[in-house]
Amino acid sequence: QSALTQPRSVSGSPGQSVTISCTGTSSDVGGYNYVSWYQQHPGKAPKLMIYDVSKWPSGVPDRFSGSKSGNTASLTISGLQAEDEADYYCCSYAGSYTFVFGTGTKVTVL
Amino acid sequence: QITLKESGPTLVRPTQTLMLTCTFSGLSLSTSGVHVGWIRQPPGEALEWLAGIYWNDDKRYSPSLKSRINITKDTSKNEVVLTMTDMDPVDTATYYCALRRFVGQNYFESWGQGTLVTVSS
Repeated sequence: QSALTQPRSVSGSPGQSVTISCTGTSSDVGGYNYVSWYQQHPGKAPKLMIYDVSKWPSGVPDRFSGSKSGNTASLTISGLQAEDEADYYCCSYAGSYTFVFGTGTKVTVL
Repeated sequence: QITLKESGPTLVRPTQTLMLTCTFSGLSLSTSGVHVGWIRQPPGEALEWLAGIYWNDDKRYSPSLKSRINITKDTSKNEVVLTMTDMDPVDTATYYCALRRFVGQNYFESWGQGTLVTVSS
C-alpha cells in the first residue's frame, strides 16, 4: 500500500485555476469512486474539501471541484484566492476498509 | 456538533510503547456505522493512515505498521485508544484521530486538533 503520488507544488495568480493530480493504482484510486481531498493550513488539522471524487461537503465553495480518470484523480481550484494557499492531500479507499493518503501538494498563490 | 480530541504523552523514549486516546462527543461510538481512525503526520511530511475501529469492534490496520499497532475502544467513555510499540525517532509526528459516521462514508468528516509526539532519548 504505497502513498498516492501528488506534485510537490503548484502555483497560480489570484483568479486563475490550478489543478492537482493524485495518481494511484487499480487497487485504490482506480478501483473505487472514493477519493477525498483535504486542505491543511500550517499548524491546523486537515479539512475535508471534496469526497466521493466530486462531491462537496456543506460549506465548501464550488470553486473546488474534483474528478477522476483511471488511476488518477484531480482537484481543481478555480478563481484562486489568497486563502486557498495551503497544503492539499488526496485520500483513497484501498479496499478492506483501509485508506491511503497522497504525498501532498503545496499550493502557492502568487 | 462532533468534536474529537487526542491526548497522550508529548515525549516518548525510543523502544517505549506509545498510548494515545481519542475522546469525542456529539456522536456515540455505539451508533451503527461509526468509525474512528488514526492518521499521523511527521513534521513537514505527508499524512499517513494508521488504523481504524468500527462501532462493532471491527479493526483495520495499515499493512506497514500492523505488527506494531493496536486499536481499542471504550464505548462507555466514547474513547478510542491507539497503542504503538517499539517507538523510534522516525515515529515523531502529529497524531490525529478522525471520524467517519457510517460504513459507506469513505472519507474523514471530522478531525481532532492533533497531538505532537516526539520520540527522543
